[in-house]
Amino acid sequence: GQQLNQSPQSMFIQEGEDVSMNCTSSSIFNTWLWYKQEPGEGPVLLIALYKAGELTSNGRLTAQFGITRKDSFLNISASIPSDVGIYFCAGTNTGNQFYFGTGTSLTVIP
Amino acid sequence: DAGITQSPRHKVTETGTPVTLRCHQTENHRYMYWYRQDPGHGLRLIHYSYGVKDTDKGEVSDGYSVSRSKTEDFLLTLESATSSQTSVYFCAIKDSADEQFFGPGTRLTVL
Repeated sequence: GQQLNQSPQSMFIQEGEDVSMNCTSSSIFNTWLWYKQEPGEGPVLLIALYKAGELTSNGRLTAQFGITRKDSFLNISASIPSDVGIYFCAGTNTGNQFYFGTGTSLTVIP
Repeated sequence: DAGITQSPRHKVTETGTPVTLRCHQTENHRYMYWYRQDPGHGLRLIHYSYGVKDTDKGEVSDGYSVSRSKTEDFLLTLESATSSQTSVYFCAIKDSADEQFFGPGTRLTVL
């Protein structure tokens, strides 16, 4: 299946710091999605991106659709303890099947 | 809230027994998906459906079958459960904007 490489695998940061993570694909995607998952729950959609170069924000979260269409980036500004969780990227080129990264585990130290 | 429920939420079963997981949606979306989530593997697609009675295989479909006789329900069946199918199973729907929304998950343990 399609491989999405997500990095870093884990991050330990101080409260108030900014966070950056990225996702790369071996092929072109038409849509990129970013999710957050907390223990015992399903992934929750944070941001959807549809065009190369697109920059979209959702509160303190900003995501970008890479120009090559093979990558995407998620930034979290001024992290707070409730940002803790696992962040997943996902992409699709057909709109039928979606492929997921293995996640970035974020720990925020108060 | 995308109106997705999964049942049961937890199940423990024995090797060789059949198991059926149910996904129910309230918003009439055409596409529905079943994924499994395992440590180190992320979310992997088992099967998906693009309409009533229309289904297709995903990356890890061996040992699983699905059925969709109504728009709102998508069933995942393990005909003869094995320990390798111990996992957390998520159902998802896709809306017209190609956004996927997930249900709360079913934690399945096969002893």
